Amino acid sequence: QVQLQESGPGLVKPSETLPLTCTVSGGSVSSGSYYWSWIRQPPGKGLEWIGYIYYTGSTNYNPSLKSRVTISVDTSKNQFSLRLNSVTAADTAVYYCARDPIQRYGDSFDSWGQGTLVTVSS
Amino acid sequence: DIQMTQSPSSLSASVGDRVTITCRASQTISTYLNWYQQKPGKAPKLLIFNASGFQGGVPPRFSGGGSGTDFTLTISSLQPEDFATYYCQQSYTSPPTFGGGTKVEIK
Repeated sequence: QVQLQESGPGLVKPSETLPLTCTVSGGSVSSGSYYWSWIRQPPGKGLEWIGYIYYTGSTNYNPSLKSRVTISVDTSKNQFSLRLNSVTAADTAVYYCARDPIQRYGDSFDSWGQGTLVTVSS
Repeated sequence: DIQMTQSPSSLSASVGDRVTITCRASQTISTYLNWYQQKPGKAPKLLIFNASGFQGGVPPRFSGGGSGTDFTLTISSLQPEDFATYYCQQSYTSPPTFGGGTKVEIK
């Protein structure tokens, strides 16, 4: 059974870059059957999809964050990563990585990491 | 972006009750609608895909329905482990967007 695990700093200063990594076990990011997504949830609020990457490096980002987001993949380490630039307090959230099966019903998220809280504060 | 609106935002119910949650899309999305359950401090869990398709391991008391713009998630007989927040999500077009959630609490 696939497992995903987020890692990265719990505190980032305003205007700096938020870096997170998702390590996949029990499955391969090189599988052609999945996109690999990042999703976030501000404390006490709803869910926002950030973007996804395919193992080839092809990406799709939420237009609301596109100018500040980079998602990359490292197939040798079975990881994918998120970088969010120029963060503000509004970027404080629990960040999840998730698996998105490629199928005819569009994007759904069938496996998730446990989530990591990132706080933006000086 | 397609806006997803859930109602109610919260509800109180008793074990054994039948519970129905509604999700409305701002434009037609056919049956491209998924439902998730989230418990406090945990990641969401996919329950239903394509409006009425069962994700593996989900108890049969959960069912989904609807098409176009209006969708429902029904729990036929609420169990103690079902107290959680439920989210709908459209997969019709990018970016995928979620509803604001419905918190199911114990009466």
